Amino acid sequence: QSVLTQPPSVSAAPGQKVTISCSGSSSNIGNNYVSWYQQLPGTAPKLLIYDNDKRPSGIPDRFSGSKSGTSATLDITGLQTGDEADYYCGAWDSTRGVFGGGTKLTVL
Amino acid sequence: QVPLVESGGGVVQPGRSLRLSCAASGFTFSHYGMHWVRQVPGKGLEWVAMIGYDGSNRFYADFVRGRFIISRDNSKNTLYLQMNSLRVEDTAIYYCARDPSLRVTLDYCGQGTLVTVSS
Repeated sequence: QSVLTQPPSVSAAPGQKVTISCSGSSSNIGNNYVSWYQQLPGTAPKLLIYDNDKRPSGIPDRFSGSKSGTSATLDITGLQTGDEADYYCGAWDSTRGVFGGGTKLTVL
Repeated sequence: QVPLVESGGGVVQPGRSLRLSCAASGFTFSHYGMHWVRQVPGKGLEWVAMIGYDGSNRFYADFVRGRFIISRDNSKNTLYLQMNSLRVEDTAIYYCARDPSLRVTLDYCGQGTLVTVSS
């Protein structure tokens, strides 16, 4: 059971928008920054969003993040087949790091 | 040049020990906090441990506290994970990751090393 809660799967057609949610509590998301990761099959996780809504260099602006209270959201617009991957949210929680259980994105 | 390269994984019997290493290159190692994160193949990410810039602050997941020790040698640009009293459920791919801000901002992860605990 993951500390952060994500939907197991989401899907959308190419070109559409998808939203992935991440729900936590005051000990993690409510009082700390959220990061988001993309993991393509057979590869290591890759940072997409940090500090709730910042993109590292090289990450397209199709990827955006937000946070409100104890929840965070990753939006992906203009979906491409190459976006099919697992997505994870992460945050600090008191004295430990925590991740969501992951969301599998299918681009139909 | 790959910034982080893990090594030391393998097959080990329950109760035995193993030490993982993570060699860093191409960046100022001492300017980054470092994490170990693991993943059972086909499952989600699981945070294991974090160490601060100079090694003075260390944090562990409950399921490894007292068994695993994270350490670093900034003179050798290397991160370590000493894993003792290994259990079957510790079987996973172990990734090292760097963090510039010590708040789970893993801006680069290595490719991982597989640890299999089996009799």
